Amino acid sequence: EAGVAQSPRYKIIEKRQSVAFWCNPISGHATLYWYQQILGQGPKLLIQFQNNGVVDDSQLPKDRFSAERLKGVDSTLKIQPAKLEDSAVYLCASGGGSGESNFGPGTRLLVL
Amino acid sequence: GESVGLHLPTLSVQEGDNSIINCAYSNSASDYFIWYKQESGKGPQFIIDIRSNMDKRQGQRVTVLLNKTVKHLSLQIAATQPGDSAVYFCAERDSSYKLIFGSGTRLLVRP
Repeated sequence: EAGVAQSPRYKIIEKRQSVAFWCNPISGHATLYWYQQILGQGPKLLIQFQNNGVVDDSQLPKDRFSAERLKGVDSTLKIQPAKLEDSAVYLCASGGGSGESNFGPGTRLLVL
Repeated sequence: GESVGLHLPTLSVQEGDNSIINCAYSNSASDYFIWYKQESGKGPQFIIDIRSNMDKRQGQRVTVLLNKTVKHLSLQIAATQPGDSAVYFCAERDSSYKLIFGSGTRLLVRP
C-alpha cells in the first residue's frame, strides 16, 4: 500500500510571499488532515476534511491560510502572505475509518 | 520561542533495557489513543493504539497502558534498541475524530 505523498519536501521563501503544498492521501481514505508542526512540538491540527467537505478548520488562520480538497482525493494547503512564524513542517495525514492516521513525510517550510 | 520548543523531555536508556514513556491527556471524553514515533526528518509513524474500553494492549516489544481515572497513558518498550531512538508522541482522539497530540518525549538509546 502506497503511503501519503507530499510535495515539495522543502521550501524556502521570503516573508510576504505565497506558497502551496500538495498532498495525495492513501487511496480510499475519506479523511484528510493538515497539521503544522513547529520545531520541538507536537503536530497541531489546521484542518480536517471528510471527503471534500471541511469537518474542522477552527485552528486554521483563515486570514492567510486556505485549503481545499477537490474531488475528495488530493488536497492543497496555501499560505498567502507568509510570515516568519509560519516556519514549520506541514504534515498531511489520511485516515480510513479504523482510527489511526497515516502521515506523509511533511513539507519543511522556512520563511526568511 | 524556538529555543524553548527544543527542550523536549528526554529519556536516556541503555541498549537492552526497558523504556517507559508517559503521557497525560486532557479530555476525559476521548475514546481512542495512539502512540506515534517520529524520527528526524520524517512524519510520525504509528506504533500502537488503544481504545478507552481497554486498559492494556500489547504489540511486538511495545505495550500501552491506559489509566482513565487519572487520564494517563504510558508506552513501554522492551529491550530498547538503537533504532528506537526518536521522539514519541501520544495522541488522543476526540468525538469529532480530531487527533490532539501531546508535546512529545525524546528517547535516546545509549549503546
